[in-house]
Amino acid sequence: AQSVTQPDIHITVSEGASLELRCNYSYGATPYLFWYVQSPGQGLQLLLKYFSGDTLVQGIKGFEAEFKRSQSSFNLRKPSVHWSDAAEYFCAVGVRHTGGGNKLTFGTGTQLKVEL
Amino acid sequence: NAGVTQTPKFRVLKTGQSMTLLCAQDMNHEYMYWYRQDPGMGLRLIHYSVGEGTTAKGEVPDGYNVSRLKKQNFLLGLESAAPSQTSVYFCASSYSGTSGETQYFGPGTRLLVL
Repeated sequence: AQSVTQPDIHITVSEGASLELRCNYSYGATPYLFWYVQSPGQGLQLLLKYFSGDTLVQGIKGFEAEFKRSQSSFNLRKPSVHWSDAAEYFCAVGVRHTGGGNKLTFGTGTQLKVEL
Repeated sequence: NAGVTQTPKFRVLKTGQSMTLLCAQDMNHEYMYWYRQDPGMGLRLIHYSVGEGTTAKGEVPDGYNVSRLKKQNFLLGLESAAPSQTSVYFCASSYSGTSGETQYFGPGTRLLVL
């Protein structure tokens, strides 16, 4: 079965600093990979996804992530963090099932705090 | 275009009571999902549906039932609520397109079982 590890429960960065959130996955084949963001009391919003092709993917709000097969990682990065980026971030791996659809397995999340 | 909506937003139940959570989507998506979110555990899949009239079990299905009588609606039922079912419930829908499948999430239903 697939699994996702987000080793950092909490991260604090200063506004304007760079950010990297770590995500490691376990899955036997090439996975579908996602990063979602959740603001307090809200649902999840997709930041970016990887299905195939270029291993560096660009997302919304200036985020990017790089798929590294050799390290089973899909780390999320942003060169300059804004105060509005404070939220919880979830990495997920998707496995396509035979009947259709994608079963997502989520990591436990990383809570990002931004200091002004 | 409202996307994915969930009803109700918040509910308090007593142990043993029953209730139904409603998820509706107006994007004509084929696939729909129910997740629960608990502190420190991320989201876990309860049940899902790959089309009207079909349902399947996810990772944590015990104590829940679902129905998909119409393509746009996916209902999650709790027949006899337990305190362990206190959680935030999220519905999602998706379709399989040329750029892969993306799940779109509703705003969530916060459930407290006393």
